[in-house]
Amino acid sequence: EIVLTQSPATLSLSPGERATLSCRASQSVSSYLAWYQQKPGQAPRLLIYDASNRATGIPARFSGSGSGTDFTLTISSLEPEDFAVYYCQQRSNWPPVFTFGPGTKVDIK
Amino acid sequence: QVQLVESGGGVVQPGRSLRLSCAASGFSFSSYAMHWVRQAPGKGLEWVAVISHDGINKYYADSVKGRFTISRDNSKNTLYLQMNSLRGEDTAVYYCARELRPGSLEDWGQGTLVTVSS
Repeated sequence: EIVLTQSPATLSLSPGERATLSCRASQSVSSYLAWYQQKPGQAPRLLIYDASNRATGIPARFSGSGSGTDFTLTISSLEPEDFAVYYCQQRSNWPPVFTFGPGTKVDIK
Repeated sequence: QVQLVESGGGVVQPGRSLRLSCAASGFSFSSYAMHWVRQAPGKGLEWVAVISHDGINKYYADSVKGRFTISRDNSKNTLYLQMNSLRGEDTAVYYCARELRPGSLEDWGQGTLVTVSS
């Protein structure tokens, strides 16, 4: 079973700053690595799929990178609406089960 | 537009059963794998189960294996989650989600709350 670890648990930043979120897997994962944003009382929203592809309608300030066991979500310049919790997620090759990381909360400094 | 609407949540006693439904619209339901994901109060996301587009292949998280059953009725554009032998730790908001591209969940419902308590 692949375990995802996210760091830091909380990231305190100001609007306009750059956010760098890390997701590390316990073993090499396939290209199926996704990132989600979740705000209080809302369903998660897909930001990035296949490690580096932005989902439909996602602003260009969000970018994903990485491969193997280390992945990064970068928000180039934080907007007020970006303060939320971010989860990474992977799909195993076999069986094709999904796993979420514990999340990183980005809050206002 | 794509819409996923969950229903069937509520308060249930430990050991009892509950069936959740997810009504889909705005896309060709029978073409996509569908998932259930849950979130306990104040906690992170936990993947629960997936069913293939044709209903043949089903996979579960270890935490629910043998107690929960995922199914679908493509003629009704509806996804189900039958939950048996419910425990307190099953208390969560349950979301259904569509796997538009392999390996990620593009579309989500608003969730339905299941509370397991005596």
